[in-house]
Amino acid sequence: DIQMTQSPSSLSASVGDRVTITCRASQSISRFLNWYQQKPGKGPKLLIYGASTLQSGVPSRFSGSGSGTDFSLTIRSLQPEDFATYYCQETHSALWTFGQGTKVDIK
Amino acid sequence: QITLRESGPALVKPTQTLTLTCSFSGFTLGSTGMCVSWIRQPPGKAPEWLARIDWDDDEYFTTSLKTRLTISKDTSKNQVVLTMTNMDPVDSATYYCARTIDTLRFHDFWGPGTPVIVSS
Repeated sequence: DIQMTQSPSSLSASVGDRVTITCRASQSISRFLNWYQQKPGKGPKLLIYGASTLQSGVPSRFSGSGSGTDFSLTIRSLQPEDFATYYCQETHSALWTFGQGTKVDIK
Repeated sequence: QITLRESGPALVKPTQTLTLTCSFSGFTLGSTGMCVSWIRQPPGKAPEWLARIDWDDDEYFTTSLKTRLTISKDTSKNQVVLTMTNMDPVDSATYYCARTIDTLRFHDFWGPGTPVIVSS
C-alpha cells in the first residue's frame, strides 16, 4: 500500500502569510495527487488535482506542485477563510489513500 | 447544480449490517466517466476511501474491507447504496458519498456526510 505523509501536522500562521504544506508518497505516484480543504462539520472541498491543476472556482492564491513522491500545496497570502485542515490524496494506486492532514490555525 | 446527500441509520449495533444510501442530482451516473465513491472519516482522523461504482458498473473496494462491502446503483433513481456487514465500534465515523470523475481521478462534489455510531 502507498503511504502518504504530510508535514507539518499542524501550523499556526497569520493572515497574509505564505504557507506551504508538503506531502510525500512512499513510492512514485507520478502526478496523481489531489489536495482538499476541510472545515469543521463539512465534507472536504477539492482544491487541486493532478498535482497542480486548480479546481474551478478555487482562488488563485492556492497552488500545487510536485511529481513522483514529493508534492506541496502553497497558499500565497493566507486569508481568514483559509484556516482549515488540508489533506492530500493519491489516486495512483487502487486505494486512493489520504494523508493524515495538516491543520492551519490562527497565530 | 450538483448535490449529493447521504442517508442511513445514525446508530447500529455491533455485528449488524449498515446500509447507506447516496441520493444525488445534477449528473447522470450512466454518463461515461461518472462514478460515485464512498469515503468515511472517524472523528479527528483523516478520510478513508472505501468503495466506488462506475457508469459501466465496474466496482472497486478498499482492500482491507473488501469482504464486508457491497455497492450498487439505481441509475433511474439517481441513488447509490453501500452496505457494510459485521459492523464494529471502530467503524464509527462520518460516511460521505462523492461524485468521482474516472479519467481525472478526483472527488469534486461531496455530500454533507452522515454520522454513524456503532454501539450496543
